Amino acid sequence: DIRMTQSPSSLSASVGDRVTITCRASQTISSNLNWYQQRPGKAPKLLIYAASSLQSGVPSRFSGSGSGTDFTLTINSLQPEDFATYYCQQSYRSPRTFGQGTKLEIK
Amino acid sequence: QVQLVQSESELKEPGASVKVSCKTSGYTFTTYAMNWVRQAPGQGLEWMGWIHTNTGNPTYAQGFTGRFVFSLDTSVSTAYLQISSLKAEDTAVYYCAKDNQPGVWGSWGQGTLVTVSS
Repeated sequence: DIRMTQSPSSLSASVGDRVTITCRASQTISSNLNWYQQRPGKAPKLLIYAASSLQSGVPSRFSGSGSGTDFTLTINSLQPEDFATYYCQQSYRSPRTFGQGTKLEIK
Repeated sequence: QVQLVQSESELKEPGASVKVSCKTSGYTFTTYAMNWVRQAPGQGLEWMGWIHTNTGNPTYAQGFTGRFVFSLDTSVSTAYLQISSLKAEDTAVYYCAKDNQPGVWGSWGQGTLVTVSS
């Protein structure tokens, strides 16, 4: 199975900050990497697919980059509603696997 | 618009069975695969597997074979997850998630909490 490792596991930031979350795959996954946001008590929401494509309706302050094994999710100018948990997930091979999550908290 | 609406929370005793439904609308049900994802309390997301909505062929991830069954009723555009011989460790929120493309899940149900307790 492809192991996905996110860092950091948790992160404190302030409204208006720029934050970056990284995700590393245990083997190459080309650009088959997706990012999801999950707010407490809610279903995950697709933000970025294919490493850098913004899902329809997602604000442009979210961006993704990377290929191969190393990927990043960047959020520019944090808004109050962005404080949530973020997961990366590979769609290169079955079984689909997620990172352990990064909890973004308000400083 | 695409909607996935899941059945309500369930409280079951150990050894019982539960069937979670995921009713869809807003798209052609048989065009896109349906996935199931588990989230134990306070834990991350775990992919359980998927079902081909055209053929009904299920694929289960390791750890979800034997007691877990994915099924469909295409006449009502609904996918089901049945879990038998429930254990305390099955306590979790279960989500259905529709493929936008293979392995990319753009639409999710709201989640169904299954609690297993005596």
